[in-house]
Amino acid sequence: DGGITQSPKYLFRKEGQNVTLSCEQNLNHDAMYWYRQDPGQGLRLIYYSQIVNDFQKGDIAEGYSVSREKKESFPLTVTSAQKNPTAFYLCASSIVAGDYEQYFGPGTRLTVT
Amino acid sequence: AQKVTQAQTEISVVEKEDVTLDCVYETRDTTYYLFWYKQPPSGELVFLIRRNSFDEQNEISGRYSWNFQKSTSSFNFTITASQVVDSAVYFCALSGVGTDKLIFGTGTRLQVFP
Repeated sequence: DGGITQSPKYLFRKEGQNVTLSCEQNLNHDAMYWYRQDPGQGLRLIYYSQIVNDFQKGDIAEGYSVSREKKESFPLTVTSAQKNPTAFYLCASSIVAGDYEQYFGPGTRLTVT
Repeated sequence: AQKVTQAQTEISVVEKEDVTLDCVYETRDTTYYLFWYKQPPSGELVFLIRRNSFDEQNEISGRYSWNFQKSTSSFNFTITASQVVDSAVYFCALSGVGTDKLIFGTGTRLQVFP
């Protein structure tokens, strides 16, 4: 089955700890994206990557970091610098960046206390 | 600036009723794309439709239909004969051609009661 996997579904961390969220896709898509969703709000773009070894900041990149060493993987690290990290994180991919629909993974709900 | 407004925060209907979800957008681009996504309780966003700004024809897919009107900057989504499985949060989104950024509305939560 082709798709996007995110693990784990739920993640709990103590304040001050960095945490890495996994995102893997086997759709052979070039572009990958990370979004954050807060209750009652739409999705906001954190980072995106058009090709391997390249990525750009989105609207709310502060306190986050990413890497794109392989086409199928785009992990997101939530650092201790992110002031309000508790949220639902969604990873997406598209065939190429720009003019195509994005397909989403099941999401990771991160709770930091 | 680009913006998407979904003024309906929550809608409740009884099964078999028709329901329309409104989406109004703002953009200075002459060419752009509009999207609808469904987010069921599981959390994953499911792609429903992508529409190019040059194509104003209405589209129908089963019980789903979309009404795109450039004159009013609206891209409304109608579910005919709603079912309980339609219960979800629905997002409208906008992107410029050749850009990577999807601008999402705040979503409309649809609850369909049996």
